[in-house]
Amino acid sequence: GAGVSQSPRYKVAKRGQDVALRCDPISGHVSLFWYQQALGQGPEFLTYFQNEAQLDKSGLPSDRFFAERPEGSVSTLKIQRTQQEDSAVYLCASSLSYAVSRGGQPQHFGDGTRLSIL
Amino acid sequence: AQRVTQPEKLLSVFKGAPVELKCNYSYSGSPELFWYVQYSRQRLQLLLRHISRESIKGFTADLNKGETSFHLKKPFAQEEDSAMYYCALSEGGNKLVFGAGTILRVKS
Repeated sequence: GAGVSQSPRYKVAKRGQDVALRCDPISGHVSLFWYQQALGQGPEFLTYFQNEAQLDKSGLPSDRFFAERPEGSVSTLKIQRTQQEDSAVYLCASSLSYAVSRGGQPQHFGDGTRLSIL
Repeated sequence: AQRVTQPEKLLSVFKGAPVELKCNYSYSGSPELFWYVQYSRQRLQLLLRHISRESIKGFTADLNKGETSFHLKKPFAQEEDSAMYYCALSEGGNKLVFGAGTILRVKS
């Protein structure tokens, strides 16, 4: 079966433009996560959905970042008025269970979207 | 705040040599620790988690709460082990906190 699918794989935008990144989780997965990975760093948590509810958005770096999952499956991460520091790989992950820890199902990652802001 | 430290950016060993990828964490509660691996041109995937106490592809990791460490070990490295390895911590909720990663290069 298909894993987590992200599109586009690569996105180049000019500073100030808005971008939208899409994530198709594994079918039936309840939990969905977005991470930002800067060059040479590990992934950093952005936000978390349980079905359509955004339960944690503590990692979003500014109010220019917005994520949604309106029907509890596909999710979109939108970045408004992009800045050069937004350049990174954006990873999406999904999980079958409600909690990653205490024996919960692991997170399955997509290939990511590499965003470059010129 | 919780933090995961992987002190080595690159670890280079010869095939057949033992491997130890270091991971230290800071967290005040009872964390759950993971190792994730990313092989060349593949996506990030779970290698092992401390609660499972299992060996995957010959790798093991023991959680040492006294030293706040979760080092990844393998007695005999193989060329196919070459990859980027990330140590990660879950604070008991849902999000993962990752270290910066260590590139393991196994030379023939």
